Amino acid sequence: RKEVEQDPGPFNVPEGATVAFNCTYSNSASQSFFWYRQDCRKEPKLLMSVYSSGNEDGRFTAQLNRASQYISLLIRDSKLSDSATYLCVVNPLGSSNTGKLIFGQGTTLQVKP
Amino acid sequence: DVKVTQSSRYLVKRTGEKVFLECVQDMDHENMFWYRQDPGLGLRLIYFSYDVKMKEKGDIPEGYSVSREKKERFSLILESASTNQTSMYLCASGGGATDTQYFGPGTRLTVL
Repeated sequence: RKEVEQDPGPFNVPEGATVAFNCTYSNSASQSFFWYRQDCRKEPKLLMSVYSSGNEDGRFTAQLNRASQYISLLIRDSKLSDSATYLCVVNPLGSSNTGKLIFGQGTTLQVKP
Repeated sequence: DVKVTQSSRYLVKRTGEKVFLECVQDMDHENMFWYRQDPGLGLRLIYFSYDVKMKEKGDIPEGYSVSREKKERFSLILESASTNQTSMYLCASGGGATDTQYFGPGTRLTVL
């Protein structure tokens, strides 16, 4: 079983739609969670951290469910510019270690006009 | 702004050549990482370093070595390049209170 699993998609949605991605992780002791965004032929960039209480940044909402070991990302009112690959990322040991992160394979989103 | 730079965006080498990929970060981060990214396989960690002259193997170290002589610089070395090392190579740095990693723009290496 992979340490971090995501549905690769692609998710094809019209502009203005709401779309949600889920990600599961296998290590129940994992401490930190993130969503990264990667545009085509570019490097990954941090989109947002995921906190236990859930957090929101504009049209983006991230949720963490420790009991079920999954993380979600909700995008409301999708824009063409949201088209990208979204990587679910887990730090299995927290920030006191070497900072090693585990990356999911990514979920591809295509927003159509 | 955090800046991570990589020595080349595109590189073409021949089988058997020794290849050096360099990465420099300007944020005084303790941790630096080398990944390769291939379609369908995602990001895979090759090596990482948590301090000068310290290194640890990642998930796929075979065929690679690294060097960290200075805190800001982390080099990936392919001793004898092979065609199966054709890939996108991404360097990242991170550390401090947050464990966010910041990536360089990547080097697309083709081994002929």
